[in-house]
Amino acid sequence: DAGVIQSPRHEVTEMGQEVTLRCKPISGHDYLFWYRQTMMRGLELLIYFNNNVPIDDSGMPEDRFSAKMPNASFSTLKIQPSEPRDSAVYFCASSMGPERDTQYFGPGTRLTVL
Amino acid sequence: DAKTTQPPSMDCAEGRAANLPCNHSTISGNEYVYWYRQIHSQGPQYIIHGLKNNETNEMASLIITEDRKSSTLILPHATLRDTAVYYCIVAGSSNTGKLIFGQGTTLQVKP
Repeated sequence: DAGVIQSPRHEVTEMGQEVTLRCKPISGHDYLFWYRQTMMRGLELLIYFNNNVPIDDSGMPEDRFSAKMPNASFSTLKIQPSEPRDSAVYFCASSMGPERDTQYFGPGTRLTVL
Repeated sequence: DAKTTQPPSMDCAEGRAANLPCNHSTISGNEYVYWYRQIHSQGPQYIIHGLKNNETNEMASLIITEDRKSSTLILPHATLRDTAVYYCIVAGSSNTGKLIFGQGTTLQVKP
């Protein structure tokens, strides 16, 4: 298996632009998680899905952030409009219930907002 | 979910065993202890988990005390590639699927 795939690996954009991060989970996994990592706040969960349905989005910082999972093999995290404080590494992870806490992480997308 | 306490950093000589401690004194009966690590510039990697019995896999061993208030992750023969931040996480009590990552322990394996 190729593991969790994320694209792009690096994204540099200007403040105010829309940013879309993409994730392909491991085939057969029914949980998908989006995390953000910064030096100040560490690794924090933004949102997670089970069977394509958002379960907990309490970690989403504000309305500028949205996430979708249109099917079992694809998810997006969108930031619109982006701000410099959104600069971070964004990780996607997937797992399979009942072992949902054994999560497999992708390589991350490093986002820089200028 | 229960919180964990880990030392911020540790050193280990290459080839020796690395013993990483974790305190989780407020763990509840149905919560598991999970260990992940994050090598620089990579995504976190699952290592091992356990409930109350000691566990071993190809990567590491997990020793959980009888009262379950603390645990130790053991890397039997540390290599330079084991240099990473190691996270001890308690999870599984409320069926939320959430992992709460703290600051972890930065393990530096030295030649």
